[in-house]
Amino acid sequence: GNSVTQMEGPVTLSEEAFLTINCTYTATGYPSLFWYVQYPGEGLQLLLKATKADDKGSNKGFEATYRKETTSFHLEKGSVQVSDSAVYFCALKWGGADGLTFGKGTHLIIQP
Amino acid sequence: KAGVTQTPRYLIKTRGQQVTLSCSPISGHRSVSWYQQTPGQGLQFLFEYFSETQRNKGNFPGRFSGRQFSNSRSEMNVSTLELGDSALYLCASSLSGTSGIGTGELFFGEGSRLTVL
Repeated sequence: GNSVTQMEGPVTLSEEAFLTINCTYTATGYPSLFWYVQYPGEGLQLLLKATKADDKGSNKGFEATYRKETTSFHLEKGSVQVSDSAVYFCALKWGGADGLTFGKGTHLIIQP
Repeated sequence: KAGVTQTPRYLIKTRGQQVTLSCSPISGHRSVSWYQQTPGQGLQFLFEYFSETQRNKGNFPGRFSGRQFSNSRSEMNVSTLELGDSALYLCASSLSGTSGIGTGELFFGEGSRLTVL
C-alpha cells in the first residue's frame, strides 16, 4: 500500500538556520504530494503541494520539489523563524485511493 | 469565512460507551473527511463523505461510523468504546474531497480530543 516516511524529531534549530525535513514515499503510480503544518493548538493547514514530477511547491519561504527518481519531497527553508515552530506532515494522494496518506509528522522547534 | 468547526473539543468517556462527534465544514464545501490522530499511529483516514454519500472508508472496524447531512455537516460515531480509541479526531472539509478528481487540499478543524477511561 501507499506510505510516507519522515523524520519524527523533535528537530531543534536556531533562528535563521537552514531547514530540511526529509520525506520519502511509496506509492503506485504518480501521487500528488503535500506538506501540511500544525501550529500549537490549531488544526492542520496546507503549506504547499506538487502534483507531478519535478514540480516545486512553495509558500511562506518553504519549498519542496517532487523527485520521482528518489520518491522524495523534502521540505526546505533558507532561514527559519521562531514562528515556524510547529509539526510538519508530509502526505500523498493517489488517484481514487482512500483519503490522504500522512507521515507521522516532524516536530520542529526554533530557538531564538 | 468561518473555518471548520468541531464539537465537542474535549470529552471523556468510559469503555463500552458510545460517542458522537460533530463537524461543520466551511460554507460551500461538500466533502467532509475524518481522521484519527494518535502518537503511535499518526494520522489515519477514517472515511470521507461527499453530498451525503460515503465515498471511501479507511481500515477501521465497524464500530466507527459516520454520516453527512444535506447541509454538509457531518457526524461520526464510535460505539462500544475501547481504551485504544483515545485520540484526536480531526475533521477536514474541501470542495471536492480526496477521491477521484479531488485535489487533496483539505481544511482541518482543531479536532475533538476523546479520552476513554
